[in-house]
Amino acid sequence: AQSVTQPDIHITVSEGASLELRCNYSYGATPYLFWYVQSPGQGLQLLLKYFSGDTLVQGIKGFEAEFKRSQSSFNLRKPSVHWSDAAEYFCAVGAGYQKVTFGTGTKLQVIP
Amino acid sequence: DAGVIQSPRHEVTEMGQEVTLRCKPISGHNSLFWYRQTMMRGLELLIYFNNNVPIDDSGMPEDRFSAKMPNASFSTLKIQPSEPRDSAVYFCASRPAGQSNQPQHFGDGTRLSIL
Repeated sequence: AQSVTQPDIHITVSEGASLELRCNYSYGATPYLFWYVQSPGQGLQLLLKYFSGDTLVQGIKGFEAEFKRSQSSFNLRKPSVHWSDAAEYFCAVGAGYQKVTFGTGTKLQVIP
Repeated sequence: DAGVIQSPRHEVTEMGQEVTLRCKPISGHNSLFWYRQTMMRGLELLIYFNNNVPIDDSGMPEDRFSAKMPNASFSTLKIQPSEPRDSAVYFCASRPAGQSNQPQHFGDGTRLSIL
């Protein structure tokens, strides 16, 4: 079965600074990979997904993520963070017809 | 397009009472998922359905929890009797049928407080 690890529980960045959130997965073949964002009081919203093709994927709100098979990683990046990006971010992995497995989430705090 | 609709948004009730959470998936989506989110345990998958049939209920914590999907446009999650440790935010999500490369669409959740 697949698994996913988000090693950072909480990250604080200054507004305008760059951001990278880490995600590592475990699966024997190429998995399906997702990043979701959750704002307070809301459900999870899809930021981007990868399942084949170009390993650098663009998402909404200026986010991108890069699939690196050699490192089993799918890190989320944004070149310049805005205060409205403060939220919790979840990485998720799926494979075939199996259910998707979510990571434990990374809470992002943005300071002025 | 209407998203996944959950009701109620908030529920406060006393322990021992029956609680019923409702979900209307996106039209045309054949897979439906129930999750529970708490500070301690994060996001947990409770059960999911494909074409109204429960596929995996291994995440349902105990017999007090039950879920049904009588038709393609409606699902319920019931807790009877409820306990304070059931307090959490419960999310419903749906996605088109098929492989897990299809992203799930989440509702805004039901915040449940058991006193």
